[in-house]
Amino acid sequence: KQEVTQIPAALSVPEGENLVLNCSFTDSAIYNLQWFRQDPGKGLTSLLLIQSSQREQTSGRLNASLDKSSGRSTLYIAASQPGDSATYLCAEYTGNQFYFGTGTSLTVIP
Amino acid sequence: DAGITQSPRHKVTETGTPVTLRCHQTENHRYMYWYRQDPGHGLRLIHYSYGVKDTDKGEVSDGYSVSRSKTEDFLLTLESATSSQTSVYFCAISRQGGNEKLFFGSGTQLSVL
Repeated sequence: KQEVTQIPAALSVPEGENLVLNCSFTDSAIYNLQWFRQDPGKGLTSLLLIQSSQREQTSGRLNASLDKSSGRSTLYIAASQPGDSATYLCAEYTGNQFYFGTGTSLTVIP
Repeated sequence: DAGITQSPRHKVTETGTPVTLRCHQTENHRYMYWYRQDPGHGLRLIHYSYGVKDTDKGEVSDGYSVSRSKTEDFLLTLESATSSQTSVYFCAISRQGGNEKLFFGSGTQLSVL
């Protein structure tokens, strides 16, 4: 059974700091990996999707990387803002279904 | 935002009663999914559909059934609700399956007493 792990479960940083969120997965036959943001009481919003043939994707202040050989992905957030406070989840797609991590709850302190 | 509507948004029901949750999309996407989200478990796939009348089971399908008679609607039925099915249920859609982004609805909070 595929497992997706996100550590830490919670993270607090001061505004303006650059930060990295981690995602580990066990299936090296990954097709792609998505990063999502979830605000309290809301659904998930897809931030970035990295295909297995790619090493990274960028959108604004967000940069996601994928290393299949080590089974790791990272989400880099530059110059964090209070509005970035949310739970961030990653999900790997194995060609059959998506497997989600339990998320990292991020708090950016003004 | 992707046009996905889940109804109801909140529901309280009693053990043993049937419950149907509805997901409606206006994006004409082929794939539709039902997930449940529970603390400590993340999101887990219940059922998914890859076309009208084409559905398949996910990892936690026991006690659930689905139907898709139109592209835009995907129904999730709890045949006889149990307290273990208390959860937040999310519908998601994608245009061409796993190789494209998933778009989520706002969720249904279901409490089974």
